Amino acid sequence: DQQVKQNSPSLSVQEGRISILNCDYTNSMFDYFLWYKKYPAEGPTFLISISSIKDKNEDGRFTVFLNKSAKHLSLHIVPSQPGDSAVYFCAASLKQGAQKLVFGQGTRLTINP
Amino acid sequence: NAGVTQTPKFQVLKTGQSMTLQCAQDMNHEYMSWYRQDPGMGLRLIHYSVGAGITDQGEVPNGYNVSRSTTEDFPLRLLSAAPSQTSVYFCASSYEPGGPNTQYFGPGTRLTVL
Repeated sequence: DQQVKQNSPSLSVQEGRISILNCDYTNSMFDYFLWYKKYPAEGPTFLISISSIKDKNEDGRFTVFLNKSAKHLSLHIVPSQPGDSAVYFCAASLKQGAQKLVFGQGTRLTINP
Repeated sequence: NAGVTQTPKFQVLKTGQSMTLQCAQDMNHEYMSWYRQDPGMGLRLIHYSVGAGITDQGEVPNGYNVSRSTTEDFPLRLLSAAPSQTSVYFCASSYEPGGPNTQYFGPGTRLTVL
């Protein structure tokens, strides 16, 4: 039973355009959501997060949107750069500070020059 | 700061062998955890610890043991390796159980069980 789902295994975007990565969840008790970025042969690195009391959080080129009624979140990267090519995981936890993260399957983003 | 370190980077085992995956952090983090990453499955939590002497099971704990005798170290033990344990293993740490949920991951150990 996959509580956090990333239904697109891969995404290809032109450099300079917007990349939109999507994530759906089934557990309405999830309270805090995170995005991690992973390069090959490295561990995931934290990118951005959002609490369920917000619907948007921005950090530079990265924005995360949360639609609680649809149980859906998305990560927008604009403009996309070649260094953004990586696997992106969304994750959820039951409350901020709870340490048990549930991850999605990941989406491989490729930015084409 | 070295951050979160894991050894070895790669390991090949035969079915039934035992081994310990090492994890250490130098950030004085209370919380540490072990995940495994399998194709199409994302990362799944194996075991976690909220401080020295305290451990608990995650989503997929069977076949693995952990202990936390110091704040810095959190080894993962496979007592009798099985092919189903072929995976990439990541150790992570974060500030404190009630704090921001920013987990820092190590570079991973790629384990193959024949």
